[in-house]
Amino acid sequence: GAGVSQSPSNKVTEKGKDVELRCDPISGHTALYWYRQSLGQGLEFLIYFQGNSAPDKSGLPSDRFSAERTGGSVSTLTIQRTQQEDSAVYLCASSLGSGGAVETQYFGPGTRLLVL
Amino acid sequence: AQKVTQAQTEISVVEKEDVTLDCVYETRDTTYYLFWYKQPPSGELVFLIRRNSFDEQNEISGRYSWNFQKSTSSFNFTITASQVVDSAVYFCALSLNNAGNMLTFGGGTRLMVKP
Repeated sequence: GAGVSQSPSNKVTEKGKDVELRCDPISGHTALYWYRQSLGQGLEFLIYFQGNSAPDKSGLPSDRFSAERTGGSVSTLTIQRTQQEDSAVYLCASSLGSGGAVETQYFGPGTRLLVL
Repeated sequence: AQKVTQAQTEISVVEKEDVTLDCVYETRDTTYYLFWYKQPPSGELVFLIRRNSFDEQNEISGRYSWNFQKSTSSFNFTITASQVVDSAVYFCALSLNNAGNMLTFGGGTRLMVKP
């Protein structure tokens, strides 16, 4: 079956603009995660959605970052008023979300964001 | 707070050599999970293995093997008879049972296998 897909694959924007990044999880997976991979900070957790529960936003670096998940499937990560330090690869992952023990997360190809 | 350290930032070997990638983790929790992911040049993180803290058995999968030692908080990864296609960045990661499943990653080890 299809894996996690993300769009766009690359995004170039100007400082101060808003951007939206999209993630389609694996069909049937109810848990969805966003991570950021940057040269200086490595791979960092951003936000986690599990079913209809309130998301865990503990990793979001500032209030310019937000994410939503519509219909328990597709997720959009929004960065408002982008800054150059937001340049990174944004990775989305999904897992079954069956609850209980920690699950294996499967990652998408990422969106490479460059803020000029 | 939990932490994962991959002290080797870059390793270069010649094809057919064996290579071990080190991973040391820190956590006060007794229940946790360890993972290895491979990130080839294409950029996608590929899941390799998952191990929970109660299972210290070593695992072998083809040319890959993993050595989990709780006494030293290490979860090392060995590739036997390396091949050029093994060239990638390898990440070790930790997840706690009570921390929302988020992964804490090490800094990664870039492995270059030369023909």
